[in-house]
Amino acid sequence: EVQLVQSGAEVKKPGESLKISCKGSGYSFTNYWIGWVRQMPGKGLEWMGIIHPGDSDTTYSPSFQGQVTISADKSISTAYLQWRSLKASDTAMYYCARRAIFGVFITDAFDIWGQGTMVTVSS
Amino acid sequence: SYELTQPPSVSVSPGQTARITCSGDALPKQYAYWYQQKPGQAPVLVIYKDSERPSGIPERFSGSSSGTTVTLTISGVQAEDEADYYCQSADSSGTPYWVFGGGTKLTVL
Repeated sequence: EVQLVQSGAEVKKPGESLKISCKGSGYSFTNYWIGWVRQMPGKGLEWMGIIHPGDSDTTYSPSFQGQVTISADKSISTAYLQWRSLKASDTAMYYCARRAIFGVFITDAFDIWGQGTMVTVSS
Repeated sequence: SYELTQPPSVSVSPGQTARITCSGDALPKQYAYWYQQKPGQAPVLVIYKDSERPSGIPERFSGSSSGTTVTLTISGVQAEDEADYYCQSADSSGTPYWVFGGGTKLTVL
């Protein structure tokens, strides 16, 4: 079964650091881009950035550039989203998602999603 | 960057047809994608490349495009279709950039 499994919920204090993970299985992890998407409580989806695990080529949304770091370890089929100093406004559900390939065509859709990691930042 | 605009809500009775629109200046040049998100669940891709349906998605879900507007149509709406729906597009010709619409809450009356 093709799936992305994310790490569990986190409760942190402002100023703390955090790294959450997204492990792919059931497919060739290095052949598919992995994106990260934020969903603040009661709000919509926001694209944060995307990484190619094969060569770690990474692009960030301007809204998140400098605020988070996206990385990947292809040896263990895992992508990461990291913060150096959390803020209360980082409280949200974070999803990883696989960029879809249909047939031989890479698309800009996300076809497989992780279950989400809830991050709560509160003093 | 560009934006995608969706109506906040759409209501329809069971068995009727629901149409959810998404507008954006880049849509004539870029494909649109649609996701369904039910409460407490991750989004699910229901339409890709404007009108293609992934395997496992019911035939009642269809997509179309006209100029700067794309439309998700759900024919014969069922109670289980009540969810939030998001359109999404991207520009990967230069520096890649993905964008989601604000989402539309579909209520089945």
